[in-house]
Amino acid sequence: QVHLVQSGGEVKKPGSSVKVSCQASGGTFSNYAITWVRQAPGQGLEWVGGIIPMMGVRNYAQKFQGRLTMTADKRANTAYMELSRLKSEDTAIYYCARTLRGGVTSSSGFDIWGQGTMVNVSS
Amino acid sequence: QSVLTQPPSVSAAPGQKVTISCSGSSSNVGNNYVSWYQLLPGTAPKLLIYDNNNRPSGIPDRFSGSKSVTSATLDITGLQTGDEADYYCGTWDSGLRAAVFGTGTKVTVL
Repeated sequence: QVHLVQSGGEVKKPGSSVKVSCQASGGTFSNYAITWVRQAPGQGLEWVGGIIPMMGVRNYAQKFQGRLTMTADKRANTAYMELSRLKSEDTAIYYCARTLRGGVTSSSGFDIWGQGTMVNVSS
Repeated sequence: QSVLTQPPSVSAAPGQKVTISCSGSSSNVGNNYVSWYQLLPGTAPKLLIYDNNNRPSGIPDRFSGSKSVTSATLDITGLQTGDEADYYCGTWDSGLRAAVFGTGTKVTVL
């Protein structure tokens, strides 16, 4: 059974960047898409974007265009999400999740989730 | 601002049933699969329902999903104290070209 293990929490200054990792443990990404979702304190779930690590296909939410970069290291079975020009509103728990079926535009659901990475943006 | 609307909260006594609605439009719920997630405090989301009405292995049949036109529903029967959590629906929005989630519903067991 594949597990997704994320990197630890981060504290960042406004204007800086953060890079969060998501490693597949006990298996590989195969051809699955990896989605990133965030939850700000007291708020709901928000889709950030997705990537198919084996193919390099990406799809970002419009609001993050220009400051979001998703990459993957296939040999290390690790996906990365880097968000730049951080704002206080980016303070949130960031989750990676495996898309059950289909690519980065799939509605099939997200079946395996990482434990979450808290990113705190504060001056 | 979520494009999928859920009731903020629902509640019922142990053993009873709750129903959570998820209202959308033709660009999302109406033409795409809906999934449902449970968020227990301090834990990652858990997939309860995918493809409108399918349960992943390990999810009890007390949880069931359905969809009609532009609305989806999650039913929880035989309510247990461990079901107290936030629940979100999710799908793809073909117009926004983005995955979207509902506003979330807090389930309280009385």
